Amino acid sequence: GAVVSQHPSRVICKSGTSVKIECRSLDFQATTMFWYRQFPKQSLMLMATSNEGSKATYEQGVEKDKFLINHASLTLSTLTVTSAHPEDSSFYICSARDGQGATQETQYFGPGTRLLVL
Amino acid sequence: DQQVKQNSPSLSVQEGRISILNCDYTNSMFDYFLWYKKYPAEGPTFLISISSIKDKNEDGRFTVFLNKSAKHLSLHIVPSQPGDSAVYFCAAYANFGNEKLTFGTGTRLTIIP
Repeated sequence: GAVVSQHPSRVICKSGTSVKIECRSLDFQATTMFWYRQFPKQSLMLMATSNEGSKATYEQGVEKDKFLINHASLTLSTLTVTSAHPEDSSFYICSARDGQGATQETQYFGPGTRLLVL
Repeated sequence: DQQVKQNSPSLSVQEGRISILNCDYTNSMFDYFLWYKKYPAEGPTFLISISSIKDKNEDGRFTVFLNKSAKHLSLHIVPSQPGDSAVYFCAAYANFGNEKLTFGTGTRLTIIP
């Protein structure tokens, strides 16, 4: 099946620094990529939707200046957490939708990135 | 506001028996529902889905039932196998609108050999 990778798998950083997370679709072209965040014992919450070559659409309550999303190619999207604070510590997971006959079933998830901000 | 709820955070089932995972939703605009399975350190993988025009969809050992009037769906796994041990998420979206997936909090299923 289709594979989506994320890098890094886990990152620890100091408060105030920025962290970049990469999401790649390895064997298909993803016209749309999604970024989710999951806090412990909570559901995956959609943060933003990005389409290749255009600006991301952020969900209500998600600061676009804090969570910068770049979807520069059909196989790569990046999420940069700027000036990270301890409350940003979470599990970040991306998904990519295969452009061929795209349906929700063709949305493939990455393994996630665990961010810990000290 | 949790629009998709999985009230059982965990479930243990004997191997060979039936596993039933439940999911409730509140948004009547949802008309398509999906179940995902997640192993540790991996992303969720799609398992089975159902449209609101159906009340049952079956795929091998997996069957999803939808009760629209009760806004409830369930995933049945029979017979349960050790490899089914994972976290199961239900998700829903509205075909009209932005098709955003709304996830439940997940149920950790443990199959006891």
